Amino acid sequence: GDSVTQMEGPVTLSEEAFLTINCTYTATGYPSLFWYVQYPGEGLQLLLKATKADDKGSNKGFEATYRKETTSFHLEKGSVQVSDSAVYFCALLNAGGTSYGKLTFGQGTILTVHP
Amino acid sequence: DAGVIQSPRHEVTEMGQEVTLRCKPISGHNSLFWYRQTMMRGLELLIYFNNNVPIDDSGMPEDRFSAKMPNASFSTLKIQPSEPRDSAVYFCASRRDYQGTQYFGPGTRLLVL
Repeated sequence: GDSVTQMEGPVTLSEEAFLTINCTYTATGYPSLFWYVQYPGEGLQLLLKATKADDKGSNKGFEATYRKETTSFHLEKGSVQVSDSAVYFCALLNAGGTSYGKLTFGQGTILTVHP
Repeated sequence: DAGVIQSPRHEVTEMGQEVTLRCKPISGHNSLFWYRQTMMRGLELLIYFNNNVPIDDSGMPEDRFSAKMPNASFSTLKIQPSEPRDSAVYFCASRRDYQGTQYFGPGTRLLVL
């Protein structure tokens, strides 16, 4: 079945540092890929998405490129802020297989940014 | 748009009691999802509905859990009887169509003593 694997956390950075959170997936067909963010005490919200290979999703300074050859969708930001401290989830949506209609989430990566 | 609305936001109950969580999806959305989040197990999909019909309930942990969606604007998740291991944050989410973005509610934080 479909699966998503994220880099182990937690990740701790200083303000203005470069961020990478790795995400790789296993899926049949051509899934859409997503990054969701969860701020403390809140629900998940969509950060960015990409629906086909080589697409780049971007939002709030975050970027991720859909790489079909490496089955990856790594999240990057050039300069993090304290307000970026949150849990980040990589997810996929697959039209086929047993996951039809359901998002498959990674385990989440906790990011803490210090001033 | 008000977003996905969940109630109550916090619930504290004693073991053995019935708990009912409520969700109002975004108007016009035809898919609704219930998730559970814990530190140990992460985010788990419990059940999802499409056009008010349950499509996949394979994530419902056991018979103590049940979910209904009597109409397009309301869903409930019921736990009867509740147990301490049910303590978690329960999220409801909705989506307009298959390609649409899934929007999450703020969650219900449940503590079973």
